[in-house]
Amino acid sequence: QKEVEQNSGPLSVPEGAIASLNCTYSDRGSQSFFWYRQYSGKSPELIMSIYSNGDKEDGRFTAQLNKASQYVSLLIRDSQPSDSATYLCAVNTGGFKTIFGAGTRLFVKA
Amino acid sequence: SAVISQKPSRDICQRGTSLTIQCQVDSQVTMMFWYRQQPGQSLTLIATANQGSEATYESGFVIDKFPISRPNLTFSTLTVSNMSPEDSSIYLCSGVRTGGEKTQYFGPGTRLLVL
Repeated sequence: QKEVEQNSGPLSVPEGAIASLNCTYSDRGSQSFFWYRQYSGKSPELIMSIYSNGDKEDGRFTAQLNKASQYVSLLIRDSQPSDSATYLCAVNTGGFKTIFGAGTRLFVKA
Repeated sequence: SAVISQKPSRDICQRGTSLTIQCQVDSQVTMMFWYRQQPGQSLTLIATANQGSEATYESGFVIDKFPISRPNLTFSTLTVSNMSPEDSSIYLCSGVRTGGEKTQYFGPGTRLLVL
């Protein structure tokens, strides 16, 4: 069974620090990788997508992909209290169905 | 990003009744999905809504309980039938746009409370 694993947290970081969120996946054929942010009571919001090995930066966010290790991560620089949310890792294995991890709760302390 | 709207945004229902949730997507969306997210839990895929044919249900979900329609490319409904308090959840409509990236977008969700 195809799986996406995340540490449920909570991960607590002080304001201004780097938050590092990690995800592993089981299907070596996975092609597309996504990070979603979900605030409490809201729907998931796409914040990053990555398709090839290496780093992809967008503002304070950096996604890192290592297909050999089946590992994808999200770094949030200069973390802000407004970054406090649940972050969902999602993996597409080539069809139209995306598999979501259980999410990591992040708390940024002011 | 894709534009996805849902209604109602929330509802409180009595056990034994049914609620139909509507989802409208923009014309760039090809695949549509329905998810459930129970309090404190992650997303659970209920089914893939297929245009003009029966939905494809995931294990643990059946058509009698969650009938789904998709009469055209941009509209789908999910009905939660014969509700019980265990059906209290957020129900999310989701869509995948055309093109190669297969990025999935979510509607704002419907928060359902069954008393």
